[in-house]
This record gives sequence, structure tokens and C-alpha cells, in this order.
Amino acid sequence: NAGVTQTPKFQVLKTGQSMTLQCAQDMNHEYMSWYRQDPGMGLRLIHYSVGAGITDQGEVPNGYNVSRSTTEDFPLRLLSAAPSQTSVYFCASSPRQGANTGELFFGEGSRLTVL
Amino acid sequence: GDSVTQMEGPVTLSEEAFLTINCTYTATGYPSLFWYVQYPGEGLQLLLKATKADDKGSNKGFEATYRKETTSFHLEKGSVQVSDSAVYFCALSEYGNKLVFGAGTILRVKS
Repeated sequence: NAGVTQTPKFQVLKTGQSMTLQCAQDMNHEYMSWYRQDPGMGLRLIHYSVGAGITDQGEVPNGYNVSRSTTEDFPLRLLSAAPSQTSVYFCASSPRQGANTGELFFGEGSRLTVL
Repeated sequence: GDSVTQMEGPVTLSEEAFLTINCTYTATGYPSLFWYVQYPGEGLQLLLKATKADDKGSNKGFEATYRKETTSFHLEKGSVQVSDSAVYFCALSEYGNKLVFGAGTILRVKS
């Protein structure tokens, strides 16, 4: 019963380095999204996707890229890490429509530190 | 734009005490409202939801009522347990699965 799987769980980067946070779900959900969680600010939406081949920006997209080549995977790329990107990142998925709209299934999070 | 405001924490209670966590929202239309809970070291999980005015969401002894007139969705539980210690997030959605979250409220329950 994997659900939403994020890797890595912890990562330390130096300013200017690049990396990819991986997210995979096995529930055949059409909708996937990335949030960052910062103290006192709750969760803020970075990017989201309503299906394979379709992505869009959320509230705080700058400095991040995404792609959605398959239904299962939704990686988040940091091309040139900055200390302001130190955060906990959550991937979440959901059926696109229907009675469960708004019920997101979250991964366990990836804690990123940029020095 | 849409926003959610929650009471600041941490909230510290003794076991079996009554819990209220306040949540108010600002939205242009008629959003769906949610409470999510995050236990230590885990991702968020849906606790309860309400999709229209006067609806009451309930789960695991927690409940919240969608009050359009006061734009509120306060979370309540009659008797908290140590196992309820977690961070609670109020959230709204006007557009499908795009949720707007509050800052979160830490709840600590002492035995």
C-alpha cells in the first residue's frame, strides 16, 4: 500500500547546486502537486498537474521546474538552489474530479537544506 | 485572493479537556473547507471536510461546522487524548484540488 512516495527524505545542497525531488503515486490519480511548508506560513502550492503532459504554476513557482511524462511520476527540479529554498517539500495527489475533490493524499515529505 | 487564518499556537491541553481551534477564511465564492492533521514525521492527512454552508464535518470525535455568515470553520473535540497531539491545518478550495492552507496550529496534549 505505497500511496505517495517521495525521495529523498533528507538532502543538503550548496548554493547553486541542482537536484530533483522525486514523487511517485500508485493510485492512478490524475492530479498531482508540490507544496512547500515553512514555519508560520503553512503550505504553499509550487506547481501542479491535472494529468500527464499538463503542468501549471501555483503560488510560489519561481526557482522550480516540473514535468509530468507519466500519470505516476511528478518530479520537482531545482536548477540552482538558493538558501530561500530551504524547506520541507510535500508531494500530494488526488483524483481529478468527483466526490473526493479537495482530498489530497500526501507523501511523507522531503526536508531540503541549502547552505 | 483566498486566504485562511488560524489561531496561533501552540495550544497545550490536559487529557480529556475540550478543544477549539479557530479558523476563518476569505474567499470570493463558496469554497469547500477542510481540516488536515499532520502527526510528527508524517505528511498531512484529511481529518474532515464540509462542502456547503451549515454542513458539519466530523471524524474521530472531531467536528467543524461551515458558517458562511461568520466565514468560519472552527475545529472542536469534546475530550482530547495524548494521541491527538499534532499540527492541525485549516484549508479551503474554490477550484478543484488547489487548496489554500492556513499556517497550522500545534496541539500538545499532556497526560
